Parts: sequence; structure tokens; C-alpha cells
Amino acid sequence: QVRLQESGPGLVRPSQTLSLTCDISGDSVSSNSAAWIWIRQSPSRGLEWLARTYYGSQWYHDYALSMKSRMSIKADTSKNQFSLQLNSVTPEDTAVYYCARAGRQTGKSCYSSCYTFDYWGQGTAVTVSS
Amino acid sequence: QSALTQPASVSGSPGQSITISCTGTSGDVGGFNYVSWFQQHPGKAPQLIISDVSQRPSGISDRFSGSRSGNTASLTISGLQTGDEADYYCSSYTSSTTFVVFGGGTKVTVL
Repeated sequence: QVRLQESGPGLVRPSQTLSLTCDISGDSVSSNSAAWIWIRQSPSRGLEWLARTYYGSQWYHDYALSMKSRMSIKADTSKNQFSLQLNSVTPEDTAVYYCARAGRQTGKSCYSSCYTFDYWGQGTAVTVSS
Repeated sequence: QSALTQPASVSGSPGQSITISCTGTSGDVGGFNYVSWFQQHPGKAPQLIISDVSQRPSGISDRFSGSRSGNTASLTISGLQTGDEADYYCSSYTSSTTFVVFGGGTKVTVL
């Protein structure tokens, strides 16, 4: 059974950097059968796909274009976890942040098939406020 | 404003069937088979109930079914139960630069 657990600061000041971590159990962050995703949810913006990382002969990172300049996603194989950093946060970044797994379809690359979010963490609430 | 359009609310009586629509474009819902549906109870994470337009993951009741016609995907819940009261979201791969788009969510109420 795959389990994901997010951890985050809860409260971040405007203009600072938000750092989130997702611990994985029951699977491997370097698995070639899955991508590891960050998604957030807020009342004003709904659900938003933010970024993903996956391993397929090398590490790949993809970002939602609107936020690409502020985000960085990384995988830590020694801890079997992945993380997200979001720079220059504003109150608009207040949301519940989820990590999720997207399985790769057999015979296809993750780039073209890792779009089904089959496991989710419980979410971590982040408030951006001074 | 969400990229995919869902009705804000749908209601039905126990035992009835309801259908939730999710309207996009040929660049997302209508053009690719990566349409998913999620159920979310208050305070909980979304749970995958339909993938690839109409596939049910293991453990998901066969009362949930998915379909698509053109640029509109649909989720049907048959034999409505009180435990089905939740928010339901659709998602789709998109050929735009955002990779995945979501619907705004539909609140299902069991009368």
C-alpha cells in the first residue's frame, strides 16, 4: 500500500520561501513506474497541478508554466521523499498542499502517461500572512 | 475560474442515479483519454474513483461509472447513498502548458 505524508511550516511570511516535503512509503521515488506530484487546493483557485518529478534513465521535472519561475521540485532517494520549494510567496499561495503519485501506463513513457493521481497524501495547510 | 466546467451542485434521493458533467475542449477532455474523477469528503484528500475516462480502480464501487461524449465527460452515480455526499472533481491532461487541468467541483447532496 502506497502512503504519502506531507510536511510543511503551516505559516509563511509574504515574500519568503515555502518548503514542503512528501515522505513516501510502499513505493520508491526513483521508481520508473510513477511520477510524484504536487497539487494545491484553495477556495479561490480550486485544485491546481503544480509540478512533478520522475525518473526515467534520468530525473525529469515539469512545472505549471504560470508558476515555473518560482518553483523547484527535487527528489531525495536516500530519504525516499520529494520536495517543493515555492519562492516569493504571497497570500494567493495560501492553500492546502497535497503530494500525489501518478502511475505510468505500461508501454508508455511517464511524460505521456503519468496523469492519473492514484494515491494522495492527507494534505498540509499553508497560510501566507504577515 | 477553472479550466473544466462542472455544475456547482447536484442532488438526488437515496437509490436514484445522478450524473455530473465536466466540459472542456478538444485540447483536454475531448482529445485525450486521461480524464479522471475524484471524490472528496470534507477535510479529506481527493480519492480517485474513475481514471482513463471510464476505468474504475480496484476497490471502487461499480455504482460509479464514467463516460465521454465529445468534449464533455460524465460521472454517473447509481443507487445513490448518503455516504456519496461529497465534492466531486474531474481532471484531464491538457495539451496546454499546464499539463493537467481540474474542474471547479460539484457538491452532491443526498436528499
